[in-house]
Amino acid sequence: DVKVTQSSRYLVKRTGEKVFLECVQDMDHENMFWYRQDPGLGLRLIYFSYDVKMKEKGDIPEGYSVSREKKERFSLILESASTNQTSMYLCASCPYPAGDDEQFFGPGTRLTVL
Amino acid sequence: GENVEQHPSTLSVQEGDSAVIKCTYSDSASNYFPWYKQELGKRPQLIIDIRSNVGEKKDQRIAVTLNKTAKHFSLHITETQPEDSAVYFCAAHLMDSGYALNFGKGTSLLVTP
Repeated sequence: DVKVTQSSRYLVKRTGEKVFLECVQDMDHENMFWYRQDPGLGLRLIYFSYDVKMKEKGDIPEGYSVSREKKERFSLILESASTNQTSMYLCASCPYPAGDDEQFFGPGTRLTVL
Repeated sequence: GENVEQHPSTLSVQEGDSAVIKCTYSDSASNYFPWYKQELGKRPQLIIDIRSNVGEKKDQRIAVTLNKTAKHFSLHITETQPEDSAVYFCAAHLMDSGYALNFGKGTSLLVTP
């Protein structure tokens, strides 16, 4: 059974702080994704990675960076958190070849930036 | 890139009725169309998917149809039950565009007893 976990379910940070969101999957999937979910806007892709140390920008990468040092772990970094980054963040993974296969989602991290 | 439009944004049906959610996509080279269900407070989970070489797929009470000419696909839920209440997302994958899916904005389905 695929398991995708995220480091926190709820997080409260202050404007300007550096924020790390961690995602770990245990099924040896090549591909990992970070989305943000906002009411009425659906799931928007921030970044994805198809291999260790590889990353690709999604639709809304501004203000975010990512790190994939190990296959099972994909980190989302907010260099200087802002209030407009208050959102639900979802991590997902899927096996290679990606794109046309099921994505397995983590439980989400609800981030509030004050 | 691929643009996925989803309608309606909210849908309310009575238990036992059918529910239909429609999505359109912009790029005719799209080849994979999954549907995800997200219950309140939970993670999205795949409920059914269809590939571009198939026109229809059914799994018990849910079915998906694909019209490649018109570039739209639909989710059909028959004999709805209160536990079908959730947000449903369609998505499309554009072959050779990379490894990401493009999601619709979601449909909030409410099934009233």
